[in-house]
Amino acid sequence: DAKTTQPTSMDCAEGRAANLPCNHSTISGNEYVYWYRQIHSQGPQYIIHGLKNNETNEMASLIITEDRKSSTLILPHATLRDTAVYYCIAPSKGYSTLTFGKGTMLLVSP
Amino acid sequence: NAGVTQTPKFQVLKTGQSMTLQCAQDMNHNSMYWYRQDPGMGLRLIYYSASEGTTDKGEVPNGYNVSRLNKREFSLRLESAAPSQTSVYFCASTPYPSTDTQYFGPGTRLTVL
Repeated sequence: DAKTTQPTSMDCAEGRAANLPCNHSTISGNEYVYWYRQIHSQGPQYIIHGLKNNETNEMASLIITEDRKSSTLILPHATLRDTAVYYCIAPSKGYSTLTFGKGTMLLVSP
Repeated sequence: NAGVTQTPKFQVLKTGQSMTLQCAQDMNHNSMYWYRQDPGMGLRLIYYSASEGTTDKGEVPNGYNVSRLNKREFSLRLESAAPSQTSVYFCASTPYPSTDTQYFGPGTRLTVL
């Protein structure tokens, strides 16, 4: 997997957009960027993934820079239930496993 | 669909005891995985099964064995539990081995005294 770097923690006010950055400067051309989150005491949950283009689904948006060396996960209107650890992963193609680092602890406050 | 289920939810063992953690998925997925998560750490892969009938070691396989009982079920066995195996264990599944969208179970919290 490509090495990813994320801030240890971030804060966000409820109702505001949460922008979570991830650096993946060693990513290969065919490696996707995946985002998962883990709410306290629960199993990780898939959020979104992308290759080159920006992606949006019902949970979040993913913005990938043109050089693909970094990306940002955007939660457009954060709620208290979005408080979780967010993992950015760039798995190597051909491998069937994911490497989870320590992620970013996002705290959404009232 | 229940997705991925794990039993038990909690377990306390004494050093040297054995136990099996059970995992089942009802999504007809081919691949299944076992992870452990220690406090303040990310997930580490213990074993995985790319398809029924196959199993492979992950990052931290020592002290564990696995069985892919059928397509639905993938169990993790601790033959002689040690305090270092105190952790939260997560099972996950994917439709195919190269699929990176993994679906996780709720976890089993294991304490070894």
